[in-house]
Amino acid sequence: EVLLVQSGAEVRESGESLKISCKASGYDFTTYWIGWVRQVPGKGLEWMGIVYPGDSDTRYNPSFQGQVTISADKSITTAYLQWNSLRASDTAIYFCARNGPILADPLDVWGQGTMVIVSS
Amino acid sequence: DIQMTQSPSTLSASVGDRVTITCRASQNVRSWLAWYQQKPGKAPKLLIYKASTLQSGVPSRFSGSGSGTEFTLTISSLQPDDFATYYCQHFNSYPWTFGQGTKVEI
Repeated sequence: EVLLVQSGAEVRESGESLKISCKASGYDFTTYWIGWVRQVPGKGLEWMGIVYPGDSDTRYNPSFQGQVTISADKSITTAYLQWNSLRASDTAIYFCARNGPILADPLDVWGQGTMVIVSS
Repeated sequence: DIQMTQSPSTLSASVGDRVTITCRASQNVRSWLAWYQQKPGKAPKLLIYKASTLQSGVPSRFSGSGSGTEFTLTISSLQPDDFATYYCQHFNSYPWTFGQGTKVEI
């Protein structure tokens, strides 16, 4: 069974750093792109970017470029989303999701989501 | 960026109704479009990809059509489990934007 299991909820203060994770299992982690999607509570979905764990190639939504870092460690089949300096506006639910081997493939498997709360 | 606009934003329907949701792209996205269903407190679920291909395990009452800039998601006979929010997303060029969502409610 293909699974993406995300790390637990986090509460941080503005200005702090944070790294959340997405552990993949049940498929060849190195041959599928994996991405991150933000959802502010009560709002819609925003695509943040993707990483190819095979060679760590990344693509970002310009709206998030420079604000977050997306990475992957293929040795432990885990993808990451990282902030160096959180802002209150980063408060949201963050989902990881698997793309297919082809870049234009849809997001077919999703993690359960990680709630991040940032107090100002 | 390509803007994706869904209509309506909210749809009131009853069990057994035929429901159609529209997604319009601000530029040609060919057939690189997917539809997702999201229920409260849950992750989205892929329903349709490449505009009209049904994801494995998704009931056949769901169907998708369109290409270019106009797409539709149709539920042929609404079931109680279908009350949820539906999103379209294009994959034609970066960034892969979502529509704002359509909430299907009773």
